[in-house]
Parts: sequence; structure tokens; C-alpha cells
Amino acid sequence: AQKITQTQPGMFVQEKEAVTLDCTYDTSDPSYGLFWYKQPSSGEMIFLIYQGSYDQQNATEGRYSLNFQKARKSANLVISASQLGDSAMYFCAMSPVQGAQKLVFGQGTRLTINP
Amino acid sequence: DVKVTQSSRYLVKRTGEKVFLECVQDMDHENMFWYRQDPGLGLRLIYFSYDVKMKEKGDIPEGYSVSREKKERFSLILESASTNQTSMYLCASTDRVGEQYFGPGTRLTVT
Repeated sequence: AQKITQTQPGMFVQEKEAVTLDCTYDTSDPSYGLFWYKQPSSGEMIFLIYQGSYDQQNATEGRYSLNFQKARKSANLVISASQLGDSAMYFCAMSPVQGAQKLVFGQGTRLTINP
Repeated sequence: DVKVTQSSRYLVKRTGEKVFLECVQDMDHENMFWYRQDPGLGLRLIYFSYDVKMKEKGDIPEGYSVSREKKERFSLILESASTNQTSMYLCASTDRVGEQYFGPGTRLTVT
């Protein structure tokens, strides 16, 4: 079975600072995908970034990067130059590569950016 | 622009009622999912479907059923709503490895 653990229930960061949100995972699947989603107070789930387990390089999307350390089974999200609009819940998730790609989510981290 | 819609943003039902939550996607995706979101627990998979009339149980299927008669529509059914089913319900769809597209969610309150 797959499992995602996010150990930071909440984080507070000053605007313009970089922030790292932690995510560790456990799986016996040889191939898997790792995801980060953002959920603002409005409730919609916004896809941020994806990393395949066989990807050689860390994924990046604008200000978001995924620090993938396969041996340590971690997939931390790094947000550079944080903005007030980054305040939201952030969820780490994983899915198998084969089959229906059903997602397993972590508990989430509530990020608050202070001006 | 890709779109997943859900029939209601907010819903209030009484204990024992039969409740239908509808989800429609316009991306011709094979796979559709229903998740439930509760504080401190993240999102948990209730049921998913990988084709019309095909369904599989997720991690917490008890008290729920689903229906997929057309490719674009995936319905979640609470046969007899209970107060412990008060939650946010999120529908999603995908057709490949990578992003799942989510609907706006339905906040269901059972009184």
C-alpha cells in the first residue's frame, strides 16, 4: 500500500522568503508519480507539479520545484520568493504509474505567508 | 479549457435521506474518482471508475455507491445519509500519468 506523510500541520513564512514543505512517502511499486496540489480557501484543488519516479532531474514549474530524493523517499516542495497569494493548504500525493492512477494524499500543510 | 463540474457547491440533507452527487467532465477522460476531504486526514478515495459501467472500491467505500452510465458522468450515491458523512466531496478525472483535474467540491452537511 502507498502512504504519504506530511509532518508540518502549519507553517508561517515571511513574504519573499523561500519555503520548503516536507513530504515523505512509502510504496512497494517500482514506478510511481508524485504530485503537489494547492488548495486555497475557495476549495478548488490546483495542480502544481509532478515528478515521475524514474525522472532523472527534479521537476520545476515557475516558482515551484520538487526536491526528489528517491533513496530517502522524500518529495519536498520548494516555493521560491513566496507571495501573499501562496497562503493555502498544500497536499502531497502519489499514484502508481500503471493502472487508473488513483491518488493517495497526505494530511496537508497549511501555509501562511505574512506581509 | 478543461473542466470538471459538480452539481452543487453546498448541500444540506437529513439523516436517512438518499443523496446524489453528480460529477461531469468534458475532457473525454477514461478515469474518474470520488474523494472525501476531512480536516487532518487529507483526501481519501471513496470509489473510482476506469470505464463506463466499471467501478472499483477505494479506501473508504462503506456507505457509498457509484454509477457511471456515460463516460462523462460519474455519480456518488449515499444510500442513507448519516451525520458522519458530513464532509467535502471532490470529484476528479484523468486520462494519463500526471495531473488529475478536480471539480470545485461539494460541501455536504447531514443533520
